Amino acid sequence: GQQLNQSPQSMFIQEGEDVSMNCTSSSIFNTWLWYKQDPGEGPVLLIALYKAGELTSNGRLTAQFGITRKDSFLNISASIPSDVGIYFCAGSTITDSWGKLQFGAGTQVVVTP
Amino acid sequence: DTEVTQTPKHLVMGMTNKKSLKCEQHMGHRAMYWYKQKAKKPPELMFVYSYEKLSINESVPSRFSPECPNSSLLNLHLHALQPEDSALYLCASSQDGDPLSEQYFGPGTRLTVT
Repeated sequence: GQQLNQSPQSMFIQEGEDVSMNCTSSSIFNTWLWYKQDPGEGPVLLIALYKAGELTSNGRLTAQFGITRKDSFLNISASIPSDVGIYFCAGSTITDSWGKLQFGAGTQVVVTP
Repeated sequence: DTEVTQTPKHLVMGMTNKKSLKCEQHMGHRAMYWYKQKAKKPPELMFVYSYEKLSINESVPSRFSPECPNSSLLNLHLHALQPEDSALYLCASSQDGDPLSEQYFGPGTRLTVT
C-alpha cells in the first residue's frame, strides 16, 4: 500500500528561526493536506494543495505540491512559541476509497525562546 | 465556519460499561469520519459515513458501533472495551466522500478504559 515518509521526526528550534519539513510518497497523490495538532486537541487544517507545482501561503506558512506529485513540503517562517505542536502531512488519490487519507508520522516542533 | 464539535471532552469507563461519543457539524458536510489516535501517532481511520450510509469500516472490532442519525450527527457507541482502546477519538467531516476534499477535525474525546 501507499506509505508517506515525513521528516524530520522532530525539530528543536529557536524563536525567529525558519522551519522546513517534507513528506514523500511511493505513489502519486492528487491532494496534499497539512495539519497542526496541539496537545489534547484535534488536528487543524493549515493548507490544502490540489495541483502539481502549486505553492500556497497562509500567513507565515508556505506549502508546495511537488512537481512529481510524490512529495510536498511545509515551511514556517520566523517561528514563534505558539508554533509548537505536531505537524502532519496527509494525502489522497482519486483511486482511494471514499475519504481515505494517508497520514505521515508527524513532525514535532519545539520552539525555545 | 469550519467547526466540528465533540462531546464529552474526557471519558473514563470500565470494561463493562456502555457509553457513547457524540459528534456534530453544521457545515452541511455529507461525509463524517471516526478516527482513533494514540499519543504522538497519526490518526487511524475507523469508519466513514457518506450521505448517512456507512461506506468504510476499517475492520474495527464490534465493541465499537457507529451510528449516523442524520447528516449533522455522528455517534460512536462503546461497549465492553479493553484498556488498549484508551486513546483520543477524533471525529472529522468533509463536504462529501470525495477523497480529494478537505477533512475538518473536531477537538476529540480523550477516552480512558480502566
